[in-house]
Amino acid sequence: AQTVTQSQPEMSVQEAETVTLSCTYDTSESNYYLFWYKQPPSRQMILVIRQEAYKQQNATENRFSVNFQKAAKSFSLKISDSQLGDTAMYFCAFEESGSEKLVFGKGMKLTVNP
Amino acid sequence: NAGVMQNPRHLVRRRGQEARLRCSPMKGHSHVYWYRQLPEEGLKFMVYLQKENIIDESGMPKERFSAEFPKEGPSILRIQQVVRGDSAAYFCASSPWGGSNTGELFFGEGSRLTVL
Repeated sequence: AQTVTQSQPEMSVQEAETVTLSCTYDTSESNYYLFWYKQPPSRQMILVIRQEAYKQQNATENRFSVNFQKAAKSFSLKISDSQLGDTAMYFCAFEESGSEKLVFGKGMKLTVNP
Repeated sequence: NAGVMQNPRHLVRRRGQEARLRCSPMKGHSHVYWYRQLPEEGLKFMVYLQKENIIDESGMPKERFSAEFPKEGPSILRIQQVVRGDSAAYFCASSPWGGSNTGELFFGEGSRLTVL
């Protein structure tokens, strides 16, 4: 069974600084997808960024980028120029291709301080 | 285009009662997924449905839990004879086609069930 591990339960960062959230996963599959979701206080899960395992190039979405290390099964999220609105729980997630099931980590609470 | 709508947002039940959680997917979406989030945990997959069909219910407990997505109306997650361990946030997500990995998966704000 696939597992997703987020070892840092909580982090804080100053506004405008850069922060990196770590995630590792375990799978024997070769074709899969990785995600970072944000859950603000409203609790709605919002997709931040998505990576296809067959792509070597790291995904980027504006201030958000990932460092995908397939051999190491590592998928970290970098948030540049942190904003107060980035304060939220962040969940790393995995999906085996075709499974229609996301496997989530336990999440990490990020606080951006003014 | 309204997002995924879940109701009720908060539901309190006593042990042994029934809980019904409703999910209206985004317009044009015919695929619905239910996830459960226990306190301090990530979301866990429960069931995946298309209109009138259960595609994958491998994450749903075999007893007391059921889900449906009728031709007309919202998807319903039903929990019979609730116990305290059922207290959690239940999230619904929808997509226009199969493929929760496509990035076209949209979540509702969840229904928080509290069992007294």
